[in-house]
Amino acid sequence: AQSVTQLGSHVSVSEGALVLLRCNYSSSVPPYLFWYVQYPNQGLQLLLKYTSAATLVKGINGFEAEFKKSETSFHLTKPSAHMSDAAEYFCAVRKMDSSYKLIFGSGTRLLVRP
Amino acid sequence: EAGVTQFPSHSVIEKGQTVTLRCDPISGHDNLYWYRRVMGKEIKFLLHFVKESKQDESGMPNNRFLAERTGGTYSTLKVQPAELEDSGVYFCASSLRPTLAGGFGNEQFFGPGTRLTVL
Repeated sequence: AQSVTQLGSHVSVSEGALVLLRCNYSSSVPPYLFWYVQYPNQGLQLLLKYTSAATLVKGINGFEAEFKKSETSFHLTKPSAHMSDAAEYFCAVRKMDSSYKLIFGSGTRLLVRP
Repeated sequence: EAGVTQFPSHSVIEKGQTVTLRCDPISGHDNLYWYRRVMGKEIKFLLHFVKESKQDESGMPNNRFLAERTGGTYSTLKVQPAELEDSGVYFCASSLRPTLAGGFGNEQFFGPGTRLTVL
């Protein structure tokens, strides 16, 4: 069965510092991988997705993630945090078959300190 | 273009009562999904509609939950009778019909969720 692990339920960084949110997946075959963000009182918004093309995926708002098959990881990074990045971030997987359902990690809340 | 909308945004009910959640997907989206997040846990899949048909309902917790999508437009999720463990945030998402062979499909667009509290 597929699963997603996000290390750290809360991550705190200073404004301007590197953001690193960790995601590891468990799957017998490389899946499709996603990062979603949820701002307060809003729905989940897709940041970026990996679909077996380039291993380094660039998303919106300056975020990017690198798919590393050997480490079964898909960590999310941003070189310089902005106050507006404070939100909850979710990593998700989807099998490369006809099943469309997403399997989510437990989420990481990012706090950005001024 | 309007996004996915959900009603109500919050609902507080007592154990044993009935609650109906509504989701209006983005116009033209054949696929509609329900997910749930119990406090402190991960977001979990409940079911998937393609138009009015249930494609996958493997995540529905038990028979107290009933989802419908009459006419392939909006969907309702009824919980009857509600139990304490049903508390959480219920998300709805929608997506277009897949355009690629192999079924990758398109991005799932999420609504803001309905926060259900069962006392």
